[in-house]
Amino acid sequence: GAVVSQHPSRVICKSGTSVKIECRSLDFQATTMFWYRQFPKQSLMLMATSNEGSKATYEQGVEKDKFLINHASLTLSTLTVTSAHPEDSSFYICSASLGGAGNTEAFFGQGTRLTVV
Amino acid sequence: AQSVTQLGSHVSVSEGALVLLRCNYSSSVPPYLFWYVQYPNQGLQLLLKYTTGATLVKGINGFEAEFKKSETSFHLTKPSAHMSDAAEYFCAVSRTGGFKTIFGAGTRLFVKA
Repeated sequence: GAVVSQHPSRVICKSGTSVKIECRSLDFQATTMFWYRQFPKQSLMLMATSNEGSKATYEQGVEKDKFLINHASLTLSTLTVTSAHPEDSSFYICSASLGGAGNTEAFFGQGTRLTVV
Repeated sequence: AQSVTQLGSHVSVSEGALVLLRCNYSSSVPPYLFWYVQYPNQGLQLLLKYTTGATLVKGINGFEAEFKKSETSFHLTKPSAHMSDAAEYFCAVSRTGGFKTIFGAGTRLFVKA
C-alpha cells in the first residue's frame, strides 16, 4: 500500500514551453502533497505544500507564477513549470500524506527528470 | 523550525566493514526521523523511521539507527557493507506525516572491494 506515482518519469521540453508533472496517490487519499526539487548531487529542497482544495503554500524563494501547483482531488496534484528555461532543468519529486497527527510519514514518488533545451 | 545536519558529504568503507552515517537534528517538537536511500537517477526509498517508542530502529537491508534525544542524533549503521549499498543517503526530519519533511544535505557512500 501507500504508493505514489509520478508521471512522466522523464521529459525534455523546449525553452519557453510549459510542462506539467502529475503526482498521484494510487491507493490512499492524500490530503497533503509536497513538491521537492533536487539539483544534481544536492539534497531535496521543498518547493511547496499543497492541500486538497486550497492554494499551495510556497517556500521562500520559490516563484508561484513559475511553478503552478494544483491539488484538485485527494489523489492528484500537478506541478506545472511555466515558460521553462534551462535553469529549471532538475529532478522534481512529490510526496503525499494522509495528513493528521497520527500519520507517521509521507510517501514519495519516483521523481521526474526535467530537461529544458 | 526543524533542520538536519549530516556530517560528511562522502563516506568510503571497504566491503564487509562497518557503515556509520551521522545525522544530527534540530526540532522544537518531538521529531519524526527518517533515513532514505537514493540510487542514481531514481527516487527515494525509505530505509527506516523513528516516530515514538523504541529508540533503536531496524530497517531494510540490514540497516539500523538509534534515536538519542540527549545528543539530538539519529546515526545510521550497518555491520557489514555490501557493494550494493553504494548510494546517496538522506537523513530527514518531520513533525507528523502530514507535515513537511526536511532533508539533510546527503551523504554519498562508497564501498570499496
